[in-house]
Order: sequence, then C-alpha cells, then structure tokens
Amino acid sequence: GAVVSQHPSWVICKSGTSVKIECRSLDFQATTMFWYRQFPKQSLMLMATSNEGSKATYEQGVEKDKFLINHASLTLSTLTVTSAHPEDSSFYICSASEIAGQGGTDTQYFGPGTRLTVL
Amino acid sequence: GDSVTQMEGPVTLSEEAFLTINCTYTATGYPSLFWYVQYPGEGLQLLLKATKADDKGSNKGFEATYRKETTSFHLEKGSVQVSDSAVYFCALRRTGANNLFFGTGTRLTVIP
Repeated sequence: GAVVSQHPSWVICKSGTSVKIECRSLDFQATTMFWYRQFPKQSLMLMATSNEGSKATYEQGVEKDKFLINHASLTLSTLTVTSAHPEDSSFYICSASEIAGQGGTDTQYFGPGTRLTVL
Repeated sequence: GDSVTQMEGPVTLSEEAFLTINCTYTATGYPSLFWYVQYPGEGLQLLLKATKADDKGSNKGFEATYRKETTSFHLEKGSVQVSDSAVYFCALRRTGANNLFFGTGTRLTVIP
C-alpha cells in the first residue's frame, strides 16, 4: 500500500534555531501534500496545503513566514519551522494524496508524525 | 464552520466486547465522512469511509453508517480484539475540497 515517511521522527532544538521536517511519498506520486499540527489531546489541525511546484496555501492563523513549506517534487515536501520557540513544540503530521487519473484515488496517506520539542 | 465532535476517551474494553465510538459532525452540504485509525508508532490509516447519506462503510469488522438526519457517523464493532487497541479519528471532507477536518481522537485499549 501507499507509504508516507517523515524524517526525523523526533527532534529537540534550542529556542531560536530552525528545524526542517521532511515528508516523502515512497511508492506513489503525490500532487498534494498536507501539513497538520496536533496538540496533546486535541485534534489534528490543518496548517497548510502544498501542491508540487507552487506556493503552499496556509490556513487562517498560520504564519507562512514561520512555517516554510516547500514541495519541490511529486514525492517530497518539507516543513521548516524558523526561529523556533517553545510554543512551537508539537506533533507535526504530513499526508499525501495520490494523483487522480493514474489509477490513484483521493485518499490521503499519512506519515507517522514528527515530535518537535523546543527548549 | 465545519467541525467534528467525537466521544472522548480513553475507552477500555475486554476482548470480544462490543464497541461504539460516537461521532457527530457539522458541515454545509454533503460531506464525505471517514474513520482513521492510528496504531502505536504508525501514521493514520484510513479505516473506512462513506460518501453519501445512508452509506455504510465497513472494514476489518468495523462499520459506520452515514446518518444525515442525526449528522452522525458512529463507529461500531461487534467483538473487539487486543490488536484493535489504537487511537480512532473521525473526519469529514467537504465536497470539492481536499482537506480533512478531524475529531480529537478516541484512544481504545482492549484487554485480554
């Protein structure tokens, strides 16, 4: 089945540094990738939607200059948390949708998540 | 706006017990409804879905019926197993949209 990986699975960094999280679709091509954030005991909240080769669309209230998203290829999207602060500590999850029309569906496949802790 | 409300956990059941996890939604139009499951250390996996009213999604013994009159999509399983222990998320997707709205998740623990 379709597999999405994330790297790293967890990261601890100092306040003020930047952290990059990678999301890869391993065995399919993804037109669209999504980035979610999950706080403890809360729902997944969509942060942004990215399409390969174009700028990401951010949800209301998400700072695009702080959470930089790059979707350079059909199998890779990156989320960079710039100048991270303790309040950015969270669980970040990506998902990818297969390309419709190539035998794929619009099902989203999720990565295992990345836990970010900012000290 | 669109939202999903699901039963808070955690839920602890004995093996072979009956499971119900409630999910209700608020949305305009006719959204598609989903249940995702997250096993320990893994990403969310689609468990089942329903795209229109009265549809029943089913997979691995789990079922959920899209009830428009009650705006509900409750998850049920007649006899749970220890391997069903996981976090279950109810979600909706508005017609024509790509993104999903999730409930808070319900942690299920099944004890032998």
